Amino acid sequence: GAGVSQSPSNKVTEKGKDVELRCDPISGHTALYWYRQSLGQGLEFLIYFQGNSAPDKSGLPSDRFSAERTGGSVSTLTIQRTQQEDSAVYLCASSRGHSNQPQHFGDGTRLSIL
Amino acid sequence: TQLLEQSPQFLSIQEGENLTVYCNSSSVFSSLQWYRQEPGEGPVLLVTVVTGGEVKKLKRLTFQFGDARKDSSLHITAAQPGDTGLYLCAGARGGSNYKLTFGKGTLLTVNP
Repeated sequence: GAGVSQSPSNKVTEKGKDVELRCDPISGHTALYWYRQSLGQGLEFLIYFQGNSAPDKSGLPSDRFSAERTGGSVSTLTIQRTQQEDSAVYLCASSRGHSNQPQHFGDGTRLSIL
Repeated sequence: TQLLEQSPQFLSIQEGENLTVYCNSSSVFSSLQWYRQEPGEGPVLLVTVVTGGEVKKLKRLTFQFGDARKDSSLHITAAQPGDTGLYLCAGARGGSNYKLTFGKGTLLTVNP
């Protein structure tokens, strides 16, 4: 498809396990964003990639969270030693990369930590 | 402290009614966006406003950016069941205008 693709759509795992979430941005979009949406909360910015520039990691809540973007395209968000408070919907978005360009969102990965 | 306050949090109305939802802040934003999100899907951009006092119309939806660029409103005329969803406002500030700050949203239900 032409949109942002995220996988898996749902993930259930036990507390303490590591998880990897994947995002395929729209082809040609140089900017990629990760957000977290918790119940009753707005979207919370996590990390931003733009081309070959160093990512803005200022929104990552702890050092258990990391993300990478290989080849300027696909991105993975990794959460190590998951905790119950990590349960949320993790949304990825991409844009053409210039300021104020509209962000196109995927449908998210719903992560549940037991 | 929530940087962007949306109100009301929940709104349930009958088809054909008009409604307004609000997005308020004490901070100035360089631009403000409105999104609609349906269950199980990502947010979809409705509009971006960048100029203080700007008014944009999208069919039955009217968006306004406050003169001081601290607040915004979304007005829907003659609401339809298809308007049901979570409406989110998001602001961008200054030099980091890629980094959006989202409100918690207004959950709108339009009953037939």
